[in-house]
This record gives sequence, C-alpha cells and structure tokens, in this order.
Amino acid sequence: GQQLNQSPQSMFIQEGEDVSMNCTSSSIFNTWLWYKQDPGEGPVLLIALYKAGELTSNGRLTAQFGITRKDSFLNISASIPSDVGIYFCAGQLGPSQFYFGTGTSLTVIP
Amino acid sequence: KAGVTQTPRYLIKTRGQQVTLSCSPISGHRSVSWYQQTPGQGLQFLFEYFSETQRNKGNFPGRFSGRQFSNSRSEMNVSTLELGDSALYLCASSLGTVSMQFFGPGTRLTVL
Repeated sequence: GQQLNQSPQSMFIQEGEDVSMNCTSSSIFNTWLWYKQDPGEGPVLLIALYKAGELTSNGRLTAQFGITRKDSFLNISASIPSDVGIYFCAGQLGPSQFYFGTGTSLTVIP
Repeated sequence: KAGVTQTPRYLIKTRGQQVTLSCSPISGHRSVSWYQQTPGQGLQFLFEYFSETQRNKGNFPGRFSGRQFSNSRSEMNVSTLELGDSALYLCASSLGTVSMQFFGPGTRLTVL
C-alpha cells in the first residue's frame, strides 16, 4: 500500500515550546488529515485539509496542505502537558482510501 | 450525541479460534470503516461499509470479514486467529464522505 513518511518519530520538548511535524508521500492526495491518539483511545480528528496550499488552524494547532499535494505539516504552538500523545497524518486518495503515517510521539516536559 | 462505541474493549483468544468485534457508529452515520493498529505496521485499513454494502477493502486475507446491519451497526470477524492478529482494532464512522471520520476507542485483541 501507500507509504506515508512521518517525521520526526518522537519529540521531547519543554512546555511552552512550539512543535513541528510533517508527512510526505510519493503519491498525490486529495485530502490530508491530522489525528491525535491518547493511550488506550482511538485517534481524534484535529484538522482536515481539502486543497493544495490550504492553511487551517484549530486553536494552537495549524496545519498546511502542501502545494505539491504530496506533503502536509502540523505545527503546535506554546505546547502544554495535555498535548502529549501520538499524532498521525493521513492521506485520502479516494472514497474510503486512507493511508496513515507511522505517527509522531510527543512528550511535553513541564 | 454519543460517540462511536466498540465492544468488547479487550479480548483474549487462542490461535485457531475466531472472534467477532462490534461497532456502533454515531447516530445518523452510515459509513463504518475498520482499521488494524499494531506497533510495527501502524494503522492499516481493513474495509469500509456504507448502507450495508462493502464499499472498499484493504489488503488483508480472507480470514478478515465484516458486515453492516440496517441500523448501520457493523461487525468484524476474524477466523482461524494467528498470533500476528494481536492488535488494536479501530472502527470509525462518518456520514458518508469518510474524510470526517470519528474513531471509537478500539478493541484490544490478544491472541495467545
């Protein structure tokens, strides 16, 4: 199947710092999604992006749909302890054709 | 509005057995997708059902099957369990566009 390269794999940051992570693919996607997963829970949708170049914010989170449609970025500003978790990107090729990145594990040190 | 619910939350089976997992989507959602999540492979798409029909299928063996009922509830069945089937099985529902999927908490399956 499609491979989404998500980086970094893990991050350890101080509370208050900004965070950046990204996803790249060899394929062009129609939609990019970012999810957060807490231990023992299912992923929760954070941001959905529908067109190339789109920049969307959700509180302290900002995500962008790359203009090549092969990548996407997620930024978290002024991190807080509850930002801890695993962040996944997902690309959609067509109806019910989703491919997920391998995840970025975020640890926020108070 | 209640979220996606999955039962059971935890399950332990032995090799060769079969298992059925259940998913109740958000009220009004007609699309249900199933995913397998493992540390090594990440989140992998199993299949999606919409209005009782399988609309798309991932690259899993025929031991993995599913169905959807008229009330949109879905079940997933795995027959002849193997050790490698140990995983978190996630169900996600949506109105139909699938891009706005909402995940359930998952069923943690352990195969001994």
